[in-house]
Amino acid sequence: AQSVTQLDSQVPVFEEAPVELRCNYSSSVSVYLFWYVQYPNQGLQLLLKYLSGSTLVKGINGFEAEFNKSQTSFHLRKPSVHISDTAEYFCAVSDEGGGSEKLVFGKGTKLTVNP
Amino acid sequence: GAGVSQSPSNKVTEKGKDVELRCDPISGHTALYWYRQSLGQGLEFLIYFQGNSAPDKSGLPSDRFSAERTGGSVSTLTIQRTQQEDSAVYLCASSLDGGTNYGYTFGSGTRLTVV
Repeated sequence: AQSVTQLDSQVPVFEEAPVELRCNYSSSVSVYLFWYVQYPNQGLQLLLKYLSGSTLVKGINGFEAEFNKSQTSFHLRKPSVHISDTAEYFCAVSDEGGGSEKLVFGKGTKLTVNP
Repeated sequence: GAGVSQSPSNKVTEKGKDVELRCDPISGHTALYWYRQSLGQGLEFLIYFQGNSAPDKSGLPSDRFSAERTGGSVSTLTIQRTQQEDSAVYLCASSLDGGTNYGYTFGSGTRLTVV
């Protein structure tokens, strides 16, 4: 069975500082990996995804993530955050080509960007 | 429609009552998912519908929970004899052709409070 661990439940940072949100997964098969963002009182929105190819994936709003197969990690990064990046971020995994297409989510990381 | 629509947006019910939550997916999306988001618990998979295939019900927490999808479009999640631990945000998502490589589109959710 797959699982996702987001190591930090809360991450406070100052505006314009860099940020890294950590995600590790476990799976016995090859996977697809995703980051979703949930702004306050809104639904989840896809930030970026890794399916195959280049291990460095660029998403919306200046975010990027790097797939590291040996470390089973898919950490999310942004070199300079804005107040508007304050949100909850969820890492998710699914089996590559698995019979059930459901995503397994981590418990989320609340990013708070302070002025 | 343009997005995934869920109703009601908020529901307060008394313990022991039955509730129905509705999801209207994006037109043409064959896959539909229900997740539950509890405080500090991330997103918990409940059930997955794909076309005319038998649904994947592996995430339903008890036999008080059921869901159906009529005509391959609208879905209803029913919770019978609600309990306080059922209080959560129930999220619906749809996907083109069921493949997670397309990503999910989430609705804004139904916040259920059992008092």
